[in-house]
Amino acid sequence: ETGVTQSPTHLIKTRGQQVTLRCSSQSGHNTVSWYQQALGQGPQFIFQYYREEENGRGNFPPRFSGLQFPNYSSELNVNALELDDSALYLCASSLTSGGRTDTQYFGPGTRLTVL
Amino acid sequence: QQQVKQSPQSLIVQKGGISIINCAYENTAFDYFPWYQQFPGKGPALLIAIRPDVSEKKEGRFTISFNKSAKQFSLHIMDSQPGDSATYFCGYQTGANNLFFGTGTRLTVIP
Repeated sequence: ETGVTQSPTHLIKTRGQQVTLRCSSQSGHNTVSWYQQALGQGPQFIFQYYREEENGRGNFPPRFSGLQFPNYSSELNVNALELDDSALYLCASSLTSGGRTDTQYFGPGTRLTVL
Repeated sequence: QQQVKQSPQSLIVQKGGISIINCAYENTAFDYFPWYQQFPGKGPALLIAIRPDVSEKKEGRFTISFNKSAKQFSLHIMDSQPGDSATYFCGYQTGANNLFFGTGTRLTVIP
């Protein structure tokens, strides 16, 4: 088990609503990355936060946004939910040092269902 | 962004057999290649990882073989057990850049 925790475990929303997912990083880590994993697919990179700033973004629209807090925990916000946003959302924490991000350790994920 | 091709999509192996999963990449800038194991409803867990300066890395029953000239790397699971039944993802990363995953291989080990 990694020290990465995510909340909530499951969430059901309706189309058009907004959602906030939370992640607490492993002790000693300063970087948080978020991924979306649709059923039967590999995780797709959404974005990464380092030193409270976005440090890279995948092919996701601006309605996906995030925050990182001084204690390195992070939030993922999704506005105007669409049916295709239904997925497992994964948070991974890692240590970035000397411009390099080390191994990423994943939390258990939040299962989001959009009806 | 299909920069890594993972095969096979699914694999059935007898208990005690060898499971082999392959990945082929295109971008020679990748310098970190982890393998993750994922059980249903759980997050991916790091299994083993390699950098291109070595050709093989072994941890217990798990071995990564890396062929830099062919731009291929593979995961070998020796003495496969029913508890190894899971989905396996190869990953690839460059320096401070972000981690990308292959398409996954669903392994079933039958008793």
